[in-house]
Amino acid sequence: DIQMTQSPSFLSATVGDRVTINCKASQNINKYLNWYQQKLGEAPKRLIYNTNSLQTGIPSRFSGSGSGTDYTLTISSLQPEDVATYFCLQHNSGPWTFGGGTKLELK
Amino acid sequence: QVQLKESGPGLVQPSQTLSLTCTVSGFSLTSNSVHWVRQPPGKGLEWMGGIWGDGSTDYNSALKSRLSISRDTSKSQVFLKMNSLQTDDTAIYFCTRLRGTGFDYWGQGVMVTVSS
Repeated sequence: DIQMTQSPSFLSATVGDRVTINCKASQNINKYLNWYQQKLGEAPKRLIYNTNSLQTGIPSRFSGSGSGTDYTLTISSLQPEDVATYFCLQHNSGPWTFGGGTKLELK
Repeated sequence: QVQLKESGPGLVQPSQTLSLTCTVSGFSLTSNSVHWVRQPPGKGLEWMGGIWGDGSTDYNSALKSRLSISRDTSKSQVFLKMNSLQTDDTAIYFCTRLRGTGFDYWGQGVMVTVSS
């Protein structure tokens, strides 16, 4: 199984900050990497698919990059509504596996 | 629009069987794949298994012996049954649609507590 190591687990930042979250795969996942946002009590929402494609309706301050085993989600200017938990998913090969999540809070 | 909604009991006794239903709308089960993912309190997400458009199934090897996923296409419903529940099966259970771009739409999830 492909292991996904996500960092950091917790992140505290100020409105307007540039925020980065990382996922490292245990093997090459060929850019089949998605990012999701999960707010308490809500369904996970897909932000980015296939490393860098922005889901329709998601603000452009969210972006993704990476290749091989290393991937990054960037929020260019943190907004209050971005407080949530973020997680990555590899869909290169089954079983599909997730990063452990990053809880993002406002400082 | 695409929607998925989980339903089922909030409390299950240890050693009993969990039965959950995912009711979908906005897409056809015969041309889409629906999967189950769970999240224990304070922990990460785990893919459990799913059913493909042709009716075939895939399961996480760690759960395969206890898990069964089926569907009723006429009712747009996908079912999860897992037996021999233990306390570490306490989790939020989500259903989600799988496309070539990964899981795209998710239900809100249903909290299942395993306790006597």
